[in-house]
Amino acid sequence: SQQGEEDPQALSIQEGENATMNCSYKTSINNLQWYRQNSGRGLVHLILIRSNEREKHSGRLRVTLDTSKKSSSLLITASRAADTASYFCALNTGGFKTIFGAGTRLFVKA
Amino acid sequence: DTAVSQTPKYLVTQMGNDKSIKCEQNLGHDTMYWYKQDSKKFLKIMFSYNNKELIINETVPNRFSPKSPDKAHLNLHINSLELGDSAVYFCASSLDFFSGNTIYFGEGSWLTVV
Repeated sequence: SQQGEEDPQALSIQEGENATMNCSYKTSINNLQWYRQNSGRGLVHLILIRSNEREKHSGRLRVTLDTSKKSSSLLITASRAADTASYFCALNTGGFKTIFGAGTRLFVKA
Repeated sequence: DTAVSQTPKYLVTQMGNDKSIKCEQNLGHDTMYWYKQDSKKFLKIMFSYNNKELIINETVPNRFSPKSPDKAHLNLHINSLELGDSAVYFCASSLDFFSGNTIYFGEGSWLTVV
């Protein structure tokens, strides 16, 4: 399938800890995006990384991309209770479609 | 200001009914989408319109019919609702249809078919 597969499906950590979520895929991509979805809300774009990039940062977020392994990771440092949400990777394979995975559900305990 | 707004947010209806969900974006984007999110949170694209023209039509039952009166609006009409249609439907938009653009989502419409 073309979608990304997030791992783990769910993650529970204490506030202040780092959270790492992974996304693996099978096809070639032009770029990969990460989105966040708070409970009962729509998805919000976090960061985009292009296929020729290896790492990007945005605030407490760090995204890496390894095209040889066809995988990406999202690291949230010094997590906060407000980071509790579902995180989705979305693949752009060159067509018109952005294909989303099933997400990782992150729980940050205060 | 709400960028992508959709109504209603909650909809409970009986099997066999026909219902519509409306969507409007005030971002000046050319491309709009409908996504369906099932109970397992998996998000699937249903339709995409660019400047009122249909460019993506995934394998969706004919009971689902999108309508785009102008590029700022994309409504979704569903005929003869079935139990399996229960899901959250998200409207979204992006600058244009080139893949890789940031997609802006509405808050979702929770459809429950009983």
